[in-house]
Order: sequence, then C-alpha cells, then structure tokens
Amino acid sequence: DTGVSQNPRHKITKRGQNVTFRCDPISEHNRLYWYRQTLGQGPEFLTYFQNEAQLEKSRLLSDRFSAERPKGSFSTLEIQRTEQGDSAMYLCASSLPGRETQYFGPGTRLLVL
Amino acid sequence: RKEVEQDPGPFNVPEGATVAFNCTYSNSASQSFFWYRQDCRKEPKLLMSVYSSGNEDGRFTAQLNRASQYISLLIRDSKLSDSATYLCVVSPQTGTYKYIFGTGTRLKVLA
Repeated sequence: DTGVSQNPRHKITKRGQNVTFRCDPISEHNRLYWYRQTLGQGPEFLTYFQNEAQLEKSRLLSDRFSAERPKGSFSTLEIQRTEQGDSAMYLCASSLPGRETQYFGPGTRLLVL
Repeated sequence: RKEVEQDPGPFNVPEGATVAFNCTYSNSASQSFFWYRQDCRKEPKLLMSVYSSGNEDGRFTAQLNRASQYISLLIRDSKLSDSATYLCVVSPQTGTYKYIFGTGTRLKVLA
C-alpha cells in the first residue's frame, strides 16, 4: 500500500496525558498537512510542512500542540496535557510538488477520557 | 462569518435525480477551489478541482462564480453510491497551501 499511513489508528487516553501521532506521507510528496475533524464538521487546518519546514500553523492551535517533520519524510503531531476537547479525528494529508491535490490518510481517532 | 460556508443538509434525493450544492467563501482573494468527497468514517478524497471556466467530469459539474463568491457542484442522474458528504475546499490566497474546508453537505440518494 503506497498511500498515506497514520499510526496509531485509535488512541484512548486520560486527561492530562501526552499523546503522539505519526504520519507517513506518500513517497516524493513534499508537502504534508495536519487537520483535526470533529463529528459533523469538515477538517480543520492545523499546520503544514514543505519538506522539513513548518510553513504555517493555525492560530487555533494552543501551545499544547506541536508538530515536526525532521527529515522531510514522516511527521509527528504531539498533544501535551490532553483535554476532553481534544477528542477528534486527526487527519494527515500529503501532496506532490507543484500540485494541490491532497491525499489523506485514514486518520487517528483520539478519545480523551 | 465563516471563511467557507455550506448547507450541511442532509439532502435526500431519489435515484436518478439531479442535485446541486453551493458553497460560499468570504475571502475575495481566494485562488483555488475544490470539491472533496468523504464517505462515512473514511478520509476525504478529491472529487474535482473547480476552474474559472467551470469543469465537468461525467455526471459531475463544478462552477465558480467569483463575483458572488460561491462555487457549486451539480450531480446528474444520482446513484446510490453518490451518498456521501461533499466538502467544499478553498485556498484563501496565493503563496500559501493552507486550505479551508467547509462543514460539508450530506447527500443521501434513496432507492
């Protein structure tokens, strides 16, 4: 399977714990995006990378969220001190250089108890 | 006002019907427009890009009206398999790849 992969697919955690999600984009895709989606809403932009550079980050993100893409390949999204309001589907997408079509991974579903 | 607005629906239509969705955007400088399809509990997938001149792909037609700042999606001869949520996506400005998604419009095609 050469699509975007995300791990884990599901995560249940207790409030206050830290969680980290991983996204592996399609090979040769230089842009990588993170979104959050809650029930009945469209994906909400969090951040995106071009290669290893984080070019934009949503103002909606608090300091508890951080994302990295150290070698321009896979990316991680960390949420510190999770809150119940962080419960959502976290989607990763990637795109080819010069192209705007985004290919999404299956998402990581987070439940904060 | 939200940057991208859609009627959440649901739109319940019989097989074979024609259905149209609109999506309005607030930033007149927006450059790129797309329709994505999302099946229940699945990831979004690109349905089609929306060009200034409009474009058609089989039973699907997308149009852009810059003056009124909306895009539309027309589905002709609806199939049961068209049942999904249709997400309107806008790139607010050039030089950025930050994409804004609408809430989506749910379509249910009934037998």
